Amino acid sequence: GESVGLHLPTLSVQEGDNSIINCAYSNSASDYFIWYKQESGKGPQFIIDIRSNMDKRQGQRVTVLLNKTVKHLSLQIAATQPGDSAVYFCAENNLGSGGSNYKLTFGKGTLLTVNP
Amino acid sequence: DTGVSQDPRHKITKRGQNVTFRCDPISEHNRLYWYRQTLGQGPEFLTYFQNEAQLEKSRLLSDRFSAERPKGSFSTLEIQRTEQGDSAMYLCASSLGTGHEQYFGPGTRLTVT
Repeated sequence: GESVGLHLPTLSVQEGDNSIINCAYSNSASDYFIWYKQESGKGPQFIIDIRSNMDKRQGQRVTVLLNKTVKHLSLQIAATQPGDSAVYFCAENNLGSGGSNYKLTFGKGTLLTVNP
Repeated sequence: DTGVSQDPRHKITKRGQNVTFRCDPISEHNRLYWYRQTLGQGPEFLTYFQNEAQLEKSRLLSDRFSAERPKGSFSTLEIQRTEQGDSAMYLCASSLGTGHEQYFGPGTRLTVT
């Protein structure tokens, strides 16, 4: 069935290093892929999204890469800061007609720990 | 605060009791979603409203669950005859236009004893 999963459950980096969080997906029909950040006790926070017809999208200190050939999504965080410590989820959204147009399907998440 | 708000933030109830949660979306957002999240897992979709119309319900939403959005603004999620398996974080999100950019509230953590 449809699934969005993550390669690594935990990632520990030093402050100032770049972080890369990976995600594998199986639904080729997804139109958008989205990254969310969730801090302890809070709801998920939208970070960045990428449409399925794009390979790369950049935001402030973050870059999302989409490789449709191998169904792989990654989130790169530049100059990681202690405030980046959180669980990161990738999610997919299918905007096709009918059915689950607006449902987000989340993976299990990666815990990013930034060491000072 | 112009974000999504949820009330209460925490709820402890005994098995068999009914509970109701409230969500206030971002004011101009016409779409509202409910998700459930258990420890260590990503949120799971429960249901979705466009304005006041409930357009989709997940198979996770058993007959004991009901959601409303009577005036297309705030929404309520009621769980009747709660079970221990209902213990989770219940998240509300809203969006304007397309559904992929959803903004989440802080959630209501339900503990059923």
